Amino acid sequence: DQQVKQNSPSLSVQEGRISILNCDYTNSMFDYFLWYKKYPAEGPTFLISISSIKDKNEDGRFTVFLNKSAKHLSLHIVPSQPGDSAVYFCAASATGSQGNLIFGKGTKLSVKP
Amino acid sequence: DAGITQSPRHKVTETGTPVTLRCHQTENHRYMYWYRQDPGHGLRLIHYSYGVKDTDKGEVSDGYSVSRSKTEDFLLTLESATSSQTSVYFCAIGSGSNYGYTFGSGTRLTVV
Repeated sequence: DQQVKQNSPSLSVQEGRISILNCDYTNSMFDYFLWYKKYPAEGPTFLISISSIKDKNEDGRFTVFLNKSAKHLSLHIVPSQPGDSAVYFCAASATGSQGNLIFGKGTKLSVKP
Repeated sequence: DAGITQSPRHKVTETGTPVTLRCHQTENHRYMYWYRQDPGHGLRLIHYSYGVKDTDKGEVSDGYSVSRSKTEDFLLTLESATSSQTSVYFCAIGSGSNYGYTFGSGTRLTVV
């Protein structure tokens, strides 16, 4: 059973507008969440993370929101740029899991000029 | 990514042959991981290592074995390659904490 779910395989957004990528999880032991960005023919690269003791973390144009009661997190990109077009993976880990990350299936974001 | 390299970058092999993929790091990280990426499945953990000669299975370990004889190298072996193992394989390194890890550029393996 999927522990980390990204239910939208793709998202298309106009340049300059907000992109919102969603992620749900089922394992209540997860206490750290990360977003990775992946371009074709490259490895995933770390984008932003959030600990379960917080509900928001911001880094420039990227903000991650965590709603623990709903077991839901989202990544907001404002404003979206064509260079943001990539596949975004949500990942989660639990303390004591030796750093093992459980990934969602990814959401392909297309930002149109 | 700097500090982690995978080889080969591309490989085509025949069904039934053994294949070994190599991951090399220069960051002296204790933890190393092998993932595979497939359409509709995202990234799935195959095996990981938490030290020299210390390894454990991940979610999709059947048909794969690993070895880590020194800190910097983590090898993934497909004992007898099958078409279902056609995939992109990513190695990653980390500290074993919650704080994520760094991925290599991947190996695209095609089994014909």
